[in-house]
Amino acid sequence: DTAVSQTPKYLVTQMGNDKSIKCEQNLGHDTMYWYKQDSKKFLKIMFSYNNKELIINETVPNRFSPKSPDKAHLNLHINSLELGDSAVYFCASRDGADQPQHFGDGTRLSIL
Amino acid sequence: GDSVTQMEGPVTLSEEAFLTINCTYTATGYPSLFWYVQYPGEGLQLLLKATKADDKGSNKGFEATYRKETTSFHLEKGSVQVSDSAVYFCALSPGFQKLVFGTGTRLLVSP
Repeated sequence: DTAVSQTPKYLVTQMGNDKSIKCEQNLGHDTMYWYKQDSKKFLKIMFSYNNKELIINETVPNRFSPKSPDKAHLNLHINSLELGDSAVYFCASRDGADQPQHFGDGTRLSIL
Repeated sequence: GDSVTQMEGPVTLSEEAFLTINCTYTATGYPSLFWYVQYPGEGLQLLLKATKADDKGSNKGFEATYRKETTSFHLEKGSVQVSDSAVYFCALSPGFQKLVFGTGTRLLVSP
């Protein structure tokens, strides 16, 4: 039933590690996104993919690498994690420029 | 560039009070405008939207009107409930796929 699902919900790890967050949508949407929400609740887009092609990359460090194996999935891999990467990461999808985005429940990443 | 400005929170109200959360925007062209709500521990949910000037979006007793002349999209509700306590985000879609969010406004409603 879940429209946009992310795993894991919580991720606690140490500085320097590499981790991945997975996202899947069953809405048939062509476009998927990753957003970062900081501790003050500010939301900023990181990446957008349309039909498996990268269309937005908003000055994100190249330690972050999105991968879209098909249009229903958009995973986020993060290398050499830093303290400043601690945040909630949201996946979203949309079908059309004027349509609303549908969000997952978020992945809370905590770096020790 | 495109941006959204929301009033600082938290907004603290008693149940059944009238709510206004101000939102103004800067954009080139004619963006679509949205209000999203985030309940504690959850993702964002679309609350309402408007795609052109003078459109009024409404849902669950909340309303917002797209005002091109004042570049505003203020959120209102006539009588808030405790269950409305959440963070509210105003956002615009400039047409090339992404959403630009405001900083969010936390609403706290007490019984």
